Amino acid sequence: AQSVSQHNHHVILSEAASLELGCNYSYGGTVNLFWYVQYPGQHLQLLLKYFSGDPLVKGIKGFEAEFIKSKFSFNLRKPSVQWSDTAEYFCAVNARTGGFKTIFGAGTRLFVKA
Amino acid sequence: DSGVTQTPKHLITATGQRVTLRCSPRSGDLSVYWYQQSLDQGLQFLIQYYNGEERAKGNILERFSAQQFPDLHSELNLSSLELGDSALYFCASSGGLAAYNEQFFGPGTRLTVL
Repeated sequence: AQSVSQHNHHVILSEAASLELGCNYSYGGTVNLFWYVQYPGQHLQLLLKYFSGDPLVKGIKGFEAEFIKSKFSFNLRKPSVQWSDTAEYFCAVNARTGGFKTIFGAGTRLFVKA
Repeated sequence: DSGVTQTPKHLITATGQRVTLRCSPRSGDLSVYWYQQSLDQGLQFLIQYYNGEERAKGNILERFSAQQFPDLHSELNLSSLELGDSALYFCASSGGLAAYNEQFFGPGTRLTVL
């Protein structure tokens, strides 16, 4: 069965620090990968997605993620975080075959200190 | 604002009762997804409908059912409610059936079972 692991449940950083949130998935077939963000009091929204092509994907607000197929990973990065990046981040995987199910990771709560 | 609406925002009910959650997708979106978010289980995919037909099923209990109507709005019915059903229920929509489509999330319905 598909599963998605996010290694850190809580991360605390100071402004201007670099961010890397880990995401690993277990499905062996062709996958589509997503990072969603949920700002306090708001709905989930898409940060970035990968489904083919360049494995380094750039998203909104300076975020990027790299798909490493051999490691089944899709880590999220940002070189310099801001206080406004405080949010919960979810990695999600959807297989092109296997029923259109999107599996979400447990989420990582990021708190950025001003 | 994602364009996805959910009603009600909050629902408080007792064990054994039945409730109906409603979702209106973004204009033009044919797919509707339901998710349950709880503290201990994270964001769990429940079910997906596409243009009125069930397309994918996740960890949805037999006490729960859903449908999508001709006008594309969807309802999630939860019956014989238990304390453990207390959670945030999200609806999402996307334009098509393809697995790589971005999902747009609603604000959620917070269900409290007493």
